[in-house]
Amino acid sequence: SQQGEEDPQALSIQEGENATMNCSYKTSINNLQWYRQNSGRGLVHLILIRSNEREKHSGRLRVTLDTSKKSSSLLITASRAADTASYFCATDAAGGGSNYKLTFGKGTLLTVNP
Amino acid sequence: EAGVAQSPRYKIIEKRQSVAFWCNPISGHATLYWYQQILGQGPKLLIQFQNNGVVDDSQLPKDRFSAERLKGVDSTLKIQPAKLEDSAVYLCASSYSGRYTDTQYFGPGTRLTVL
Repeated sequence: SQQGEEDPQALSIQEGENATMNCSYKTSINNLQWYRQNSGRGLVHLILIRSNEREKHSGRLRVTLDTSKKSSSLLITASRAADTASYFCATDAAGGGSNYKLTFGKGTLLTVNP
Repeated sequence: EAGVAQSPRYKIIEKRQSVAFWCNPISGHATLYWYQQILGQGPKLLIQFQNNGVVDDSQLPKDRFSAERLKGVDSTLKIQPAKLEDSAVYLCASSYSGRYTDTQYFGPGTRLTVL
């Protein structure tokens, strides 16, 4: 079963605009990760936020995590055509010990128009 | 640093045939994962190896899928016999130790079409 659910399923914006994607999950987590997938570079890790963190930045990416609402958001600022891709959130199960398993959502397809 | 290598990149077979995929993880990575990604969905973990031992294969359809990791390095995933619903991209990933803070690095995947 897929724990994370991204919203919206698809998003189309103009270059230079900001893009926001959301992820909701059901059970407690150790951390939440965001991945990007496009045909050119495959599935690439973007950022990891731990359950005791509320916000994290990496370049043009900003991720927030609200464990009380079991939700996360990914903000891409000043988008570029090269940001066109599918974005997935991935969660693990808290207390997983040595058996650490990621569960991916269905993804948000982002299209950035030049 | 070389990434995760997979072959073949594409494979077309008929149902009931068998197929095998190969993966070479990043050098020094102890943990290797095989995922199945059906069109329009996120990757689903099939099996996880720690060195050459299986850590999790709870979502592997064991009646038709098998996987091995020889000498704790390369891995093969086999499907025999294939069904139409096995059409998907099969992704291999590796991480340094498999701890929850590790980043998983993914290969380009093998796109399987079952006719």
